[in-house]
Amino acid sequence: DAGVIQSPRHEVTEMGQEVTLRCKPISGHNSLFWYRQTMMRGLELLIYFNNNVPIDDSGMPEDRFSAKMPNASFSTLKIQPSEPRDSAVYFCASSPPWDRTLYEQYFGPGTRLTVT
Amino acid sequence: AQTVTQSQPEMSVQEAETVTLSCTYDTSENNYYLFWYKQPPSRQMILVIRQEAYKQQNATENRFSVNFQKAAKSFSLKISDSQLGDTAMYFCAHTGGNRDDKIIFGKGTRLHILP
Repeated sequence: DAGVIQSPRHEVTEMGQEVTLRCKPISGHNSLFWYRQTMMRGLELLIYFNNNVPIDDSGMPEDRFSAKMPNASFSTLKIQPSEPRDSAVYFCASSPPWDRTLYEQYFGPGTRLTVT
Repeated sequence: AQTVTQSQPEMSVQEAETVTLSCTYDTSENNYYLFWYKQPPSRQMILVIRQEAYKQQNATENRFSVNFQKAAKSFSLKISDSQLGDTAMYFCAHTGGNRDDKIIFGKGTRLHILP
């Protein structure tokens, strides 16, 4: 299995531009999570999906952030317009169907976003 | 609200020594799960060990073991015979026992294994 795939691995963009981060979860996993990691705030959950449906988006910072999961094998996190304070590493993670003995998340390699 | 606290922002130990990373959490639930994740310089988050709250026996994975004190809400990670490859950020995490519960991560402890 290739694991969780994220693209791009690095993104540098100018303030005001639209940024789209992509994620392909592990095949067979039905939950998908988007996290943001910064030195100041640590690892924050932005949004998570279960069976392609957003379950909790309370961590999404503001309306500039949006996430979609059109099918079980693809998700996007979009920032429009981007701001320098959005600079962070964004992780996507997936987990298998809920099971009391598991509940383990598999993380992608992350996308390092720099907004200048 | 669920919280996870890691009181040691950074630690350094010599190779082959044993090191213990601290973690405390707060929850009102009786059944839940605890995790330690490792994040090496490559940034990949890797699950190290998992503990289910209803199991009294401490989880062990090779050189990694936990000291789970449910009453004290403490979940420390012990790394025995530490190796240079153990250098990483370590995150303690907690989740409830319900389907839609989120995983809450601590701020992390940066561990340096010195040659």
